[in-house]
Amino acid sequence: ILNVEQSPQSLHVQEGDSTNFTCSFPSSNFYALHWYRWETAKSPEALFVMTLNGDEKKKGRISATLNTKEGYSYLYIKGSQPEDSATYLCAFMEYGNKLVFGAGTILRVKS
Amino acid sequence: SAVISQKPSRDICQRGTSLTIQCQVDSQVTMMFWYRQQPGQSLTLIATANQGSEATYESGFVIDKFPISRPNLTFSTLTVSNMSPEDSSIYLCSVLAGGGVDTQYFGPGTRLTVL
Repeated sequence: ILNVEQSPQSLHVQEGDSTNFTCSFPSSNFYALHWYRWETAKSPEALFVMTLNGDEKKKGRISATLNTKEGYSYLYIKGSQPEDSATYLCAFMEYGNKLVFGAGTILRVKS
Repeated sequence: SAVISQKPSRDICQRGTSLTIQCQVDSQVTMMFWYRQQPGQSLTLIATANQGSEATYESGFVIDKFPISRPNLTFSTLTVSNMSPEDSSIYLCSVLAGGGVDTQYFGPGTRLTVL
């Protein structure tokens, strides 16, 4: 059974703070690592799909790094804003298109 | 990308009844997926539904409990049968629709509460 772990489970930060969270996944049979952002009552939104060891991706104030050899990915948010409040999910993908999700990190940004 | 809608968005149901959730996509897609998220748990894949073939269920999920239809390339339904409180979850459908390396696009989910 594949195990994808995310930490911390939840995070409360002040507006303007930078923050980061971790996704740990199996280092074998790696195909891709996905990051999603999920706001309540909305569809999970794809942030990044990462495939190569050492990959770094950026979208505005959000960036992510990938280490497939040790099995972890970091998601960074620079200068957090209240609209960044959401659950951030990572998902490990083996060959065959199946996504195995972590339980998510709940981020709350206070203004 | 793909735009996905689900109906209903939420429902409260009685134990022992069944609920059918609809998933509509704005473009033709081959692979559709059904997930659920129980309270405090991860999003978990229930089954993969390809048009023209039987759905493929993940370990722990069976067709009698979660029958799926996939009549065409833009639509699918998931039925939650003989419901119990343990079926209270958010149910989401998703599709593969290009957009890079196997990006999955999700619907907004159906929030189900079983009393």
